[in-house]
Amino acid sequence: DTEVTQTPKHLVMGMTNKKSLKCEQHMGHRAMYWYKQKAKKPPELMFVYSYEKLSINESVPSRFSPECPNSSLLNLHLHALQPEDSALYLCASSHRTGDSPLHFGNGTRLTVT
Amino acid sequence: ELKVEQNPLFLSMQEGKNYTIYCNYSTTSDRLYWYRQDPGKSLESLFVLLSNGAVKQEGRLMASLDTKARLSTLHITAAVHDLSATYFCAVDNNNDMRFGAGTRLTVKP
Repeated sequence: DTEVTQTPKHLVMGMTNKKSLKCEQHMGHRAMYWYKQKAKKPPELMFVYSYEKLSINESVPSRFSPECPNSSLLNLHLHALQPEDSALYLCASSHRTGDSPLHFGNGTRLTVT
Repeated sequence: ELKVEQNPLFLSMQEGKNYTIYCNYSTTSDRLYWYRQDPGKSLESLFVLLSNGAVKQEGRLMASLDTKARLSTLHITAAVHDLSATYFCAVDNNNDMRFGAGTRLTVKP
């Protein structure tokens, strides 16, 4: 069982839709991450929040917009996505950035039609 | 730019055999992690290696870190089918966790 909860588990959206992915953790972790994983590839870092502030943005297109409302929640807002954005989106958290492992959620499998 | 290279990318082994997966990286980081991913599932943390010479063992898996060589190894002893999965190493570089390409391990009876 994962202690990082992601919703929804599956999402199908058209290229003109706006949707949001949600992530929640109650382990007191102060760092939260978004990763994108394509099939048979490693996770690619998208965003890092440390103490609720965006600390890393890996040149992700603006159609992906992260939000960290509080230390337990992380959202990823999606707008005008492309079919190539279809992937597994993984949220992770860690005690603090740098010296503790990531705890991953089960991911949201996104399909853009 | 930090690069993390794993080899082999694919590994098919028989039950009971031993093998080692290698992870090379390009920075001076001393924080290296190993994760496991089962098909269709998320990633699970296996080992955290935070200093030169660190060695961690859990069951049939043992991980080590040589920061001078920028090399980590994941050794599998007497493999069993349940170890079939994809194994990723990851290196932390100033709060940026970069993953290797992964080693897809298949253990056959």
